Amino acid sequence: AQTVTQSQPEMSVQEAETVTLSCTYDTSENNYYLFWYKQPPSRQMILVIRQEAYKQQNATENRFSVNFQKAAKSFSLKISDSQLGDTAMYFCAFMNSAGTASKLTFGTGTRLQVTL
Amino acid sequence: EAEVAQSPRYKITEKSQAVAFWCDPISGHATLYWYRQILGQGPELLVQFQDESVVDDSQLPKDRFSAERLKGVDSTLKIQPAELGDSAMYLCASSLDDTAGYLENEQFFGPGTRLTVL
Repeated sequence: AQTVTQSQPEMSVQEAETVTLSCTYDTSENNYYLFWYKQPPSRQMILVIRQEAYKQQNATENRFSVNFQKAAKSFSLKISDSQLGDTAMYFCAFMNSAGTASKLTFGTGTRLQVTL
Repeated sequence: EAEVAQSPRYKITEKSQAVAFWCDPISGHATLYWYRQILGQGPELLVQFQDESVVDDSQLPKDRFSAERLKGVDSTLKIQPAELGDSAMYLCASSLDDTAGYLENEQFFGPGTRLTVL
């Protein structure tokens, strides 16, 4: 079974600064997908960024980028130029390669607080 | 922009009562998921539907939980009887088609139903 570990329960960053959220995972699969989801207070979870395991290039979405280290089974999220609206719970998630019952396995989350 | 709808948003019930949650996925999405998110933890899949068929319900406590998606569109999750440990956020998500490539697997989440069992 796959497991996802987020070792930072809470983090704080000042507006305009950069912060990195850590995630490690364990799997015996070679093909899979990794995701970062954001869950703002009292709002629905939304996808921030995704990475295919077969791609060596790290994914980037505007201010969000990942550092994917397949051998180390590490998938960290970097948020640049942090904004107050980035305050949320962030979940790292794993999915097996496409097929039936391709469920997401989530970590326990990191609560990020962006301060003035 | 199309969204996943869930109701109610909040539900308070007493132990041993029955509760039901409703989910309306994004139009055209064949795959529907119910997750349970206990406070301080990540969501955990309870049941996954492909159209009206259950694809994965391995983590669904079948002695008290049931889920249906009769016409392959909206879905209902029921708990009977509710227990104190069922207090959690129940999230519904949908994706275009689980049997296609992963881009079609992107899951869109609803706002959730927060259940409190007293």
